[in-house]
Amino acid sequence: GAVVSQHPSRVICKSGTSVKIECRSLDFQATTMFWYRQFPKQSLMLMATSNEGSKATYEQGVEKDKFLINHASLTLSTLTVTSAHPEDSSFYICSARLREGLYEQFFGPGTRLTVL
Amino acid sequence: KNQVEQSPQSLIILEGKNCTLQCNYTVSPFSNLRWYKQDTGRGPVSLTIMTFSENTKSNGRYTATLDADTKQSSLHITASQLSDSASYICVVRSLAGNNRKLIWGLGTSLAVNP
Repeated sequence: GAVVSQHPSRVICKSGTSVKIECRSLDFQATTMFWYRQFPKQSLMLMATSNEGSKATYEQGVEKDKFLINHASLTLSTLTVTSAHPEDSSFYICSARLREGLYEQFFGPGTRLTVL
Repeated sequence: KNQVEQSPQSLIILEGKNCTLQCNYTVSPFSNLRWYKQDTGRGPVSLTIMTFSENTKSNGRYTATLDADTKQSSLHITASQLSDSASYICVVRSLAGNNRKLIWGLGTSLAVNP
């Protein structure tokens, strides 16, 4: 199956700093990538949809200036959490979607962000 | 309102036993239904995707069923193994509005004990 990687897998930062998370599709090209956030014992919550070469589409309630998304190539999307605060601590998961068939999404292993 | 409800919320079984997880949905219009396995601290991994016309689909020891009339799905795990301990999430794709909408269930947390 298609493989999606994320880096880093875990990051701890001080409040007020910015953190960048990378998402890569390793063996396929993904024109569309998604960023999710998951709090303990809750479902994945879609934050934004990232299309290669265009601006991301953010879900209601997600601050686009705080969560900067760049999808510069067909295999790479990045999420930058700017001026992170403790409430941003969460599990961030990206996924990449195949264009064909059932539009199946393949998920990365996630990034655990802890803001002190 | 589009919703996906799963039961039970959690389940404990002994290694080697079978179990069945349930998913009811009210999503319309329906595109497809997916079952994912999510290990703690990891991203979800797809087990099956089923369209409207499919009643059953297997992936190894996992068998999913779909009844589009009653809007119910089940995931049956046969001969459970310790590595099956995870959260199993039912997700329904809707065609309403933009076609990327996935409606997520809260998952069933399965613990397989030796």
